[in-house]
Amino acid sequence: QQPVQSPQAVILREGEDAVINCSSSKALYSVHWYRQKHGEAPVFLMILLKGGEQKGHEKISASFNEKKQQSSLYLTASQLSYSGTYFCGTAVMYSGGGADGLTFGKGTHLIIQP
Amino acid sequence: DGGITQSPKYLFRKEGQNVTLSCEQNLNHDAMYWYRQDPGQGLRLIYYSQIVNDFQKGDIAEGYSVSREKKESFPLTVTSAQKNPTAFYLCASSRDRGGNQPQHFGDGTRLSIL
Repeated sequence: QQPVQSPQAVILREGEDAVINCSSSKALYSVHWYRQKHGEAPVFLMILLKGGEQKGHEKISASFNEKKQQSSLYLTASQLSYSGTYFCGTAVMYSGGGADGLTFGKGTHLIIQP
Repeated sequence: DGGITQSPKYLFRKEGQNVTLSCEQNLNHDAMYWYRQDPGQGLRLIYYSQIVNDFQKGDIAEGYSVSREKKESFPLTVTSAQKNPTAFYLCASSRDRGGNQPQHFGDGTRLSIL
């Protein structure tokens, strides 16, 4: 089942912060985050595994709330280069402990203005 | 440099014609994927393969076919049965299909109808 991302779009001024959310109705094994520039390939940002860990990548970090099956991507002091569409991909957990493949959300469009 | 190569970058299809999109990877990955991207829809899985000579249907396999005769190659054929083929097609690979492995994407092929 496709995860739900919110908001659908965000417009920020350079230097402002943003939060993008991803939620699922199923028990998740992991959440992946990708960024895609227009007409280009999605680029991997980070993976969060079940366990509620938080990870960071430059000024971009993310958390995974296992109880709520939600992940949030945090972009602090946004730069013009952060513009693009952000996708979360979720891997649903099997009852035996393994995981299914990724299902991607519809994306969040992030526009950073100077 | 290791990566995924998709060709051609742009492709035009006539009515009733089958066309084949190429995807080659030199990452030594076992799993490969084909996604279709339409505006506002995110990435939708067409087919995936976890090992040579084996592949599985994804969420939108109708009108498409694939083969996996070599580990490095996973071509996608868009058949005449696919009535709305205009989209951006992305090929991806990962070490395996487990939820803890990032997917690496090619630069995509944009297919249009003549």
